[in-house]
Amino acid sequence: KQEVTQIPAALSVPEGENLVLNCSFTDSAIYNLQWFRQDPGKGLTSLLLIQSSQREQTSGRLNASLDKSSGRSTLYIAASQPGDSATYLCAVDLYGGATNKLIFGTGTLLAVQP
Amino acid sequence: NAGVTQTPKFQVLKTGQSMTLQCAQDMNHEYMSWYRQDPGMGLRLIHYSVGAGITDQGEVPNGYNVSRSTTEDFPLRLLSAAPSQTSVYFCASSPTGLEKQFFGPGTRLTVL
Repeated sequence: KQEVTQIPAALSVPEGENLVLNCSFTDSAIYNLQWFRQDPGKGLTSLLLIQSSQREQTSGRLNASLDKSSGRSTLYIAASQPGDSATYLCAVDLYGGATNKLIFGTGTLLAVQP
Repeated sequence: NAGVTQTPKFQVLKTGQSMTLQCAQDMNHEYMSWYRQDPGMGLRLIHYSVGAGITDQGEVPNGYNVSRSTTEDFPLRLLSAAPSQTSVYFCASSPTGLEKQFFGPGTRLTVL
């Protein structure tokens, strides 16, 4: 059974610091991996989607990498800002286009201190 | 576009009551899903649909029914609410199964 783990569960950093969030998964046979952001009391916003054939994706100050063989993904946030404070979740797709099933990690709660 | 909308935002039920959580999207997405989010458990898939008239079970389908009569709407029905169904429910949609999913704002349900 696919398990997705995110460590640490919580992280606090000063503004301006570069940081890395980690996501690991037990089954390397994934089609893609997504990183989401969730603000308190709100829904999820998809940040980046990496297909299994890709090694990384970038959007602004965010860079996500994927290493299928080791079952790991990282989300790099450059020059963090207080507005980046949120819970970050990763999710893997095991089934490709035939379904809409995602397996989620439990998230990392990020606090960026001004 | 309004994106993915969910109603109600909050609901309190008594054990045994029934209700329907509404989900609608105006992006003409074929794929729609329902998740529940519980502390320490992450999001878990309840049911999903790959198009009008097609639904299937996810990881935790027991106690929930769905139907998909139109592309836009994907309601989730609780037939006889139980305290274990206290959770935050999210609806999501995507154009295909290989693209980003768009999430609604959620419905916070409490069953007493």
